[in-house]
Amino acid sequence: KAGVTQTPRYLIKTRGQQVTLSCSPISGHRSVSWYQQTPGQGLQFLFEYFSETQRNKGNFPGRFSGRQFSNSRSEMNVSTLELGDSALYLCASSMSINQPQHFGDGTRLSIL
Amino acid sequence: AQTVTQSQPEMSVQEAETVTLSCTYDTSENNYYLFWYKQPPSRQMILVIRQEAYKQQNATENRFSVNFQKAAKSFSLKISDSQLGDTAMYFCAFMKYGNYGGSQGNLIFGKGTKLSVKP
Repeated sequence: KAGVTQTPRYLIKTRGQQVTLSCSPISGHRSVSWYQQTPGQGLQFLFEYFSETQRNKGNFPGRFSGRQFSNSRSEMNVSTLELGDSALYLCASSMSINQPQHFGDGTRLSIL
Repeated sequence: AQTVTQSQPEMSVQEAETVTLSCTYDTSENNYYLFWYKQPPSRQMILVIRQEAYKQQNATENRFSVNFQKAAKSFSLKISDSQLGDTAMYFCAFMKYGNYGGSQGNLIFGKGTKLSVKP
């Protein structure tokens, strides 16, 4: 069974631009969560989607948004990029509620 | 709000020896899960072991076992017969129990412990 797939693996953008990251969950998994990992703040929860609905959201500004499609694939969008948005963005999927979350390899976003 | 604390930023162990990583957490929840995740330099976060708070028996997965002390809010990870491939960042994580029809609980992570296994 294929794992969680995140694309692209690396991305370089400049301040003010916007970016879209993609996540394909493990087949059969309907819940997708996104996390931001930085050296300073560690791992922080962004949001969670289930059946195309955002069910939970972390403490991030509105520039961070996401969506989930009918095939459970999810995208995350960051607008008006800032230097502090440089991070590893991790996507995790789980089969259903209270099931373990399995992570992808992440997308490394660098803002110049 | 829940917090997770890992007090050992770095640790090292000799190959084949045993090492214990510490984790404490704070919560007012009664139903929750605790996890240990491993993140090698390849950066993929890999689930090592999971403990359900209502289970008194400590979870084990091959060479990995936990010591779960619910009253003390302590959740340590013991790695036996350490191998070079165990070299990684180890994250302790908390997740509160989600109600069906509601949201999946999000993971709350500690800052991590960098473990080096030396030959």
